[in-house]
Amino acid sequence: GENVEQHPSTLSVQEGDSAVIKCTYSDSASNYFPWYKQELGKRPQLIIDIRSNVGEKKDQRIAVTLNKTAKHFSLHITETQPEDSAVYFCAASRPGTYKYIFGTGTRLKVLA
Amino acid sequence: GAGVSQSPSNKVTEKGKDVELRCDPISGHTALYWYRQSLGQGLEFLIYFQGNSAPDKSGLPSDRFSAERTGGSVSTLTIQRTQQEDSAVYLCASSPVFGGTDTQYFGPGTRLTVL
Repeated sequence: GENVEQHPSTLSVQEGDSAVIKCTYSDSASNYFPWYKQELGKRPQLIIDIRSNVGEKKDQRIAVTLNKTAKHFSLHITETQPEDSAVYFCAASRPGTYKYIFGTGTRLKVLA
Repeated sequence: GAGVSQSPSNKVTEKGKDVELRCDPISGHTALYWYRQSLGQGLEFLIYFQGNSAPDKSGLPSDRFSAERTGGSVSTLTIQRTQQEDSAVYLCASSPVFGGTDTQYFGPGTRLTVL
């Protein structure tokens, strides 16, 4: 069935360093890939998304890259700050479907 | 504008009792989704609505779980005869139109604890 694998499950970085989280999806028809950030006790919030017609999208310190051939996409956070500490979820969906297939999440800790 | 809201924010119940969880989607959003998130885990899809109909209920864990949506807006998730393994955060999300390529906006969740 459809599956999204996410790695690593936990990631610790020093403040100011970069963080990279990777996801691999199984359904080659997937064409929409959102990333959500969930702070402790809070709701998941969309931070960036990418559609399959582009290979990269950037928003300030956050970027997402997509490799359709390899069926993987990655979240890049540069110049990390303590407030970036949270759990990050990737997801994939295909046209005409009703649900996201979520990855299992990455707990990011930014050490001051 | 107002985001997705859920009530109650916390619910503690005794094993065997029934509970109802409520979700108010963003006004005008036709699609509504329910997810379950166990402690430290990912997001488990339960059910979605397009308008008032739920075309796929296959994510519901058992027949103790049911959901309805009235007037194309508010939805309730009902868990009958709750069990301890039902303890989790139940998240609702809505999106503007049907289809997996539209952004889902999440509510704050209801934390359910079954004693």
